[in-house]
Amino acid sequence: SQKIEQNSEALNIQEGKTATLTCNYTNYSPAYLQWYRQDPGRGPVFLLLIRENEKEKRKERLKVTFDTTLKQSLFHITASQPADSATYLCALGDYKLSFGAGTTVTVRA
Amino acid sequence: EAQVTQNPRYLITVTGKKLTVTCSQNMNHEYMSWYRQDPGLGLRQIYYSMNVEVTDKGDVPEGYKVSRKEKRNFPLILESPSPNQTSLYFCASSQQGPQGELFFGEGSRLTVL
Repeated sequence: SQKIEQNSEALNIQEGKTATLTCNYTNYSPAYLQWYRQDPGRGPVFLLLIRENEKEKRKERLKVTFDTTLKQSLFHITASQPADSATYLCALGDYKLSFGAGTTVTVRA
Repeated sequence: EAQVTQNPRYLITVTGKKLTVTCSQNMNHEYMSWYRQDPGLGLRQIYYSMNVEVTDKGDVPEGYKVSRKEKRNFPLILESPSPNQTSLYFCASSQQGPQGELFFGEGSRLTVL
């Protein structure tokens, strides 16, 4: 069955450093991959979408890579700030969208 | 302001008492979907709708019903709630179906005693 795995441990980093989150998947050939941010008690908010034929995508301090051979996406937050503290969800899609459980990031000032 | 509105935001009910969680979007999106979120399990899709009068099951549809009589509304119905339906529920909509950016509501936290 399809499986999507994100960093099982929460990520604690110092302000200004780069946070790197992983999203691995098995038994799946997604056409695209999305990343969302979720704050406590709020609904997820869309950040980025990357398609299977794209290797990398950037948006401001965010960078996403998509390696269909390794079946992995990496999500980077550069020059991290305390305001980046949240849970980040990856989602894989073809005809429907399936979500990972998320990774919680805490950025210390 | 573009938004997806869910009601109620919080609800405590008892086993077997029918309830409806409403969802409304003001973006004229054709695609709408319901998810439940449980610790460690992520968001799991309950039902989705590609357009008016077109609905289909997601990954965990048992115990739920939906309807899509108007484009903007997509209510989630629990005919006979049970404690295993205690969860955080999210409605979402998208202009480009599941391939597009999903806009989520603020969530409805349901407790079934």
